[in-house]
Amino acid sequence: DGGITQSPKYLFRKEGQNVTLSCEQNLNHDAMYWYRQDPGQGLRLIYYSQIVNDFQKGDIAEGYSVSREKKESFPLTVTSAQKNPTAFYLCASTNRATTEKLFFGSGTQLSVL
Amino acid sequence: AQKVTQAQTEISVVEKEDVTLDCVYETRDTTYYLFWYKQPPSGELVFLIRRNSFDEQNEISGRYSWNFQKSTSSFNFTITASQVVDSAVYFCALSVRAGNMLTFGGGTRLMVKP
Repeated sequence: DGGITQSPKYLFRKEGQNVTLSCEQNLNHDAMYWYRQDPGQGLRLIYYSQIVNDFQKGDIAEGYSVSREKKESFPLTVTSAQKNPTAFYLCASTNRATTEKLFFGSGTQLSVL
Repeated sequence: AQKVTQAQTEISVVEKEDVTLDCVYETRDTTYYLFWYKQPPSGELVFLIRRNSFDEQNEISGRYSWNFQKSTSSFNFTITASQVVDSAVYFCALSVRAGNMLTFGGGTRLMVKP
């Protein structure tokens, strides 16, 4: 079955540590996105990529980094510069642009130890 | 800039009641797209509907219906005869034709009690 796989489901970060969240899709989609969801709030865009080897900052990119070396993969690194990383992170993809529907992964809950 | 407002943060109903989730949007673009997504407890957002700005026809899909009114910049979602399985967070979202971002509302948590 085609879809988006995020791993791990739960992740814990220690002070000063970088952690990487995985996002893989087998939908052959060009565009991929990372969103952050805080309790009781909507989704905010962190980074997006419309093509391999290219990505753009979203609304809240500070303290995060991404790469897009393969069409299927769009990992997100939460760096030590992100002072409030506890949140639910969702990866999404779409065939063309956000004017089309997005397909979402099941998310990663990141917590700070 | 785009903005989506879901004024109802939480709604609680008893099974079989009808419930309407409100969505008000702001944009200066004349071509735009509106969406509704459902987020069940599992966390994954599930697409429900996409509507473009040139199509104001209301839509019905089973127990779900959507009322799009450009005059009031609203795109409301009604669930008829609600069921416990409808319990989730529902998000309204907006995308403009030339943009690359989907703007989400804050979401409405719907709790359907047996």
